[in-house]
Amino acid sequence: GNSVTQMEGPVTLSEEAFLTINCTYTATGYPSLFWYVQYPGEGLQLLLKATKADDKGSNKGFEATYRKETTSFHLEKGSVQVSDSAVYFCALTKNTGNQFYFGTGTSLTVIP
Amino acid sequence: GAGVSQSPRYKVAKRGQDVALRCDPISGHVSLFWYQQALGQGPEFLTYFQNEAQLDKSGLPSDRFFAERPEGSVSTLKIQRTQQEDSAVYLCASSLEQGVRETQYFGPGTRLLVL
Repeated sequence: GNSVTQMEGPVTLSEEAFLTINCTYTATGYPSLFWYVQYPGEGLQLLLKATKADDKGSNKGFEATYRKETTSFHLEKGSVQVSDSAVYFCALTKNTGNQFYFGTGTSLTVIP
Repeated sequence: GAGVSQSPRYKVAKRGQDVALRCDPISGHVSLFWYQQALGQGPEFLTYFQNEAQLDKSGLPSDRFFAERPEGSVSTLKIQRTQQEDSAVYLCASSLEQGVRETQYFGPGTRLLVL
């Protein structure tokens, strides 16, 4: 079946530290991959996406590369800020069908 | 409107009660999705509408769950005879075009607690 596995949190980092949140997936065919972010008290927002192998999604200093050989879509940021504190969800969708498959979320807290 | 809105934001129900959760998508958005998010988990797909047509309801956990979008805009998720395991946050999302690869815009969710 289709599924997403992300590293468990919570993750606590100091401001300006390097961030990696691991995400691996299981899917047949060629899924599209997404990172969504949920800031405290807000709804889920799309952070970035990649629709084919070797694509790199980027936004707000965050990046993730679609690696088909390792079935991964790890989220990275070179220097986190306090405002990046949120819960991050990795997700996939297939070319056919209507379903999104989300990971369990990784909570990030950035301390000054 | 400016974004997806949901009401109520919080709902407490006694076991066995019926509840109705409302979603107002972004105006003009064709696609509408409902998700259930249990505590500490990611959202899980419930159902999908394209305009007023419910094209996929494979994620609805039981026949106590029913969703509708009669005029292709506002949607209601109804849960009959609520059970404690229905306690979760119910999320609604809409997207401009059809298809799940389009960017989905999420509402803030309705937190349902069944006692």
